[in-house]
Amino acid sequence: DAGVTQSPTHLIKTRGQQVTLRCSPKSGHDTVSWYQQALGQGPQFIFQYYEEEERQRGNFPDRFSGHQFPNYSSELNVNALLLGDSALYLCASSHSPGSIRTGELFFGEGSRLTVL
Amino acid sequence: GDSVTQMEGPVTLSEEAFLTINCTYTATGYPSLFWYVQYPGEGLQLLLKATKADDKGSNKGFEATYRKETTSFHLEKGSVQVSDSAVYFCALAPYNTNAGKSTFGDGTTLTVKP
Repeated sequence: DAGVTQSPTHLIKTRGQQVTLRCSPKSGHDTVSWYQQALGQGPQFIFQYYEEEERQRGNFPDRFSGHQFPNYSSELNVNALLLGDSALYLCASSHSPGSIRTGELFFGEGSRLTVL
Repeated sequence: GDSVTQMEGPVTLSEEAFLTINCTYTATGYPSLFWYVQYPGEGLQLLLKATKADDKGSNKGFEATYRKETTSFHLEKGSVQVSDSAVYFCALAPYNTNAGKSTFGDGTTLTVKP
């Protein structure tokens, strides 16, 4: 049973560039959430996708956008990269909202983004 | 808004010592509470959860009780092992919504020495 997979694992970009991160949810999950984890801090919620729509959003600017595909996989896009965007980006999958098991998040190992 | 505060780390213990990691929260309504663990080089894993007041979550010898009166969810283990060395995150999810929009504490690093 494959867990949550993310790609790439590491990447380096320069300021102003754009980046796309990818995530495949755990088998049986249809909801994907994205988090940003700065060094020494807890994960911060970016947004959540369910039924191919953004359902909830945290306090992140519009430079952060996403997409969910019919197979439930998801992408996180960040435009006009800033030095402060350097972080570990985590994808988490879960059962659909309203499910009795929706409280359980399953995380991938993350994509480490460095902006120079 | 919602927030989670964890005791500051790092925490260093000898094997077989008793562990407590404090966690308090601020939230509206009745959130669900979680502890996640991140072992070196791995992603976050759900360790245990509690969904209502006085519930006790437990897993792998770890326990935490949902205390609404003190808005706390402290993690405890009676006898830690070297393999428990990891970063522990306390988190909450809003009541009756999915956990996607969870709020996490900043994590507590635990090192257990033989």
